[in-house]
Amino acid sequence: DVKVTQSSRYLVKRTGEKVFLECVQDMDHENMFWYRQDPGLGLRLIYFSYDVKMKEKGDIPEGYSVSREKKERFSLILESASTNQTSMYLCASSSRQGPNTQYFGPGTRLTVL
Amino acid sequence: GQSLEQPSEVTAVEGAIVQINCTYQTSGFYGLSWYQQHDGGAPTFLSYNALDGLEETGRFSSFLSRSDSYGYLLLQELQMKDSASYFCAVRRMDSSYKLIFGSGTRLLVRP
Repeated sequence: DVKVTQSSRYLVKRTGEKVFLECVQDMDHENMFWYRQDPGLGLRLIYFSYDVKMKEKGDIPEGYSVSREKKERFSLILESASTNQTSMYLCASSSRQGPNTQYFGPGTRLTVL
Repeated sequence: GQSLEQPSEVTAVEGAIVQINCTYQTSGFYGLSWYQQHDGGAPTFLSYNALDGLEETGRFSSFLSRSDSYGYLLLQELQMKDSASYFCAVRRMDSSYKLIFGSGTRLLVRP
């Protein structure tokens, strides 16, 4: 089974802190994604990566950056956390051969105070 | 433009059949996917329609009509555990590996 893990299930940070969210997948997938999920807004893509060191902006990249130094790991960085970044963050991965099927991690619920 | 529209909420009775619709305004896409998400859980893949028509997987079926810009997920013999949110998604031909998700339909199954 594909496994996507995220570093924390719950995280509480203060405004202005730098926040790192880590995601690791064990299926050698080329593509990795970061979404945020808010009530009534569905899944919104923040950034994605289709290869090591490659990244593309999604629909809401402002206030975020990403890093993909190794194929299995995709990190989301909040340079200076703000209260409007309080949300559920979901990581996903997919293979180049099967891009219509994404596998999601359990999510990190981030609260910024 | 690109958007997928789903009803925000659907309620049905245990044992019944329910259909969750997804209409889209996007051109040139590869197919329609469906994902299920239980409260507090991660979305999980349910089905994918690459071509028009009906795909059946156990109690769940999914349908796509490109000419009508429309698809649906059909759940039969509803069980309480089917209470969850259901998302449709498409992958546009000009957007590499990204999926575009609908805002989701919350299904509540009552006894």
